[in-house]
Amino acid sequence: QKEVEQNSGPLSVPEGAIASLNCTYSDRGSQSFFWYRQYSGKSPELIMSIYSNGDKEDGRFTAQLNKASQYVSLLIRDSQPSDSATYLCAVNIPPGNTPLVFGKGTRLSVIA
Amino acid sequence: EAGVTQFPSHSVIEKGQTVTLRCDPISGHDNLYWYRRVMGKEIKFLLHFVKESKQDESGMPNNRFLAERTGGTYSTLKVQPAELEDSGVYFCASSPGLDYGYTFGSGTRLTVV
Repeated sequence: QKEVEQNSGPLSVPEGAIASLNCTYSDRGSQSFFWYRQYSGKSPELIMSIYSNGDKEDGRFTAQLNKASQYVSLLIRDSQPSDSATYLCAVNIPPGNTPLVFGKGTRLSVIA
Repeated sequence: EAGVTQFPSHSVIEKGQTVTLRCDPISGHDNLYWYRRVMGKEIKFLLHFVKESKQDESGMPNNRFLAERTGGTYSTLKVQPAELEDSGVYFCASSPGLDYGYTFGSGTRLTVV
């Protein structure tokens, strides 16, 4: 069973703090990793993609990938109340052009 | 650039009726996906089109679900006859190709009563 696991939360952080969201995946051959943000009642919105080990930064967001340990994380610096949403981890499971597998998502609440 | 458009946004139907959902992907995106989220569960894959061809339909729950993508443009997902367990949010997404993230539509919330 190919799986993507996330802690469902809720994860509560104070405004201005760093929020750390984690995701593990089961297939060691996975190559593409994505983070989506989903506000309540809305569609998932792509915020980060990462393909290589290490860190990738985009504004206040940093994605971290460790293929040896099979985890990918998302850090949100200077968290704002507007960051409160569910964050979905999605992984491309090989081989080939196979559809993304999503985790259940982690609900983040940033407290003002 | 127009996003992925889904219609209708909401649908309430009785058990046994038929419902057809429509998705218009981003122009030029060959890959079109249907996903479904049932309350409290993760977003689950249903079907993948590459242009007009079904690349992968391993996620389709049963033969009450029929998807088409005539001409490789918009897609429809028909549920006939609908059952109570079909209730959920049906998302369509499109992508230009492998290793790209998907752009999701706003979803169709289907309620079968």
